[in-house]
Amino acid sequence: EVQLLESGGGLVQPGGSLRLSCAASGFTFSSYAMSWVRQAPGKGLEWVSGISGSGGTTYYADSVKGRFTISRDNSKNTLYLQMNSLRAEDTAVYYCAKGAEVATTTGAFDIWGQGTMVTVSS
Amino acid sequence: SYELTQPLSVSVALGQTARITCGGNNIGSKNVHWYQQKPGQAPVLVIYRDSNRPSGIPERFSGSNSGNTATLTISRAQAGDEADYYCQVWDSSTEVFGTGTKVTVL
Repeated sequence: EVQLLESGGGLVQPGGSLRLSCAASGFTFSSYAMSWVRQAPGKGLEWVSGISGSGGTTYYADSVKGRFTISRDNSKNTLYLQMNSLRAEDTAVYYCAKGAEVATTTGAFDIWGQGTMVTVSS
Repeated sequence: SYELTQPLSVSVALGQTARITCGGNNIGSKNVHWYQQKPGQAPVLVIYRDSNRPSGIPERFSGSNSGNTATLTISRAQAGDEADYYCQVWDSSTEVFGTGTKVTVL
């Protein structure tokens, strides 16, 4: 069964850091681009960052550029999101999502994790 | 930055057809994907690349894309189709989601 399981969320003070992880199983992890998508309470979906299957290409939303870093360890089938200089407006459920088509960097997301909540507050 | 505009809400009678629009500048030249999200759950892909259905998605869900508007059509609407729906495209090295539409089945 194809599955994504996020972890690492929690409560952090403004200016603090947090590292999210997403453990993948049931598919050839290195063949697919992955992304992080967030959803603030009561709001819509916002794409945060994406990474190619090899990890060699990364993309970021303007709202997180310079503060967040996406990475992946294909030997561990795990996706990461390092979040620094966190702000109140980063408060959201963070989902990891799998690219739907092999060997493409962009496109639809066919598998989503259950999400992990990040709360930035003093 | 590229913007995708969706109606805030759409209502449909049980068994009838709902159409959800996604407006964007020359969106017809892009691949559009659609997601369904029910309360407390992760999004589910229902249409990819304008009009393709992933396995397990009912034929009642269909999509089209032309000009400045993409459309998700839900035929023979069921109570279980009540959800938020989002469109998505790739533009200028970023993925962009629409504003979201809440579908109510009456």
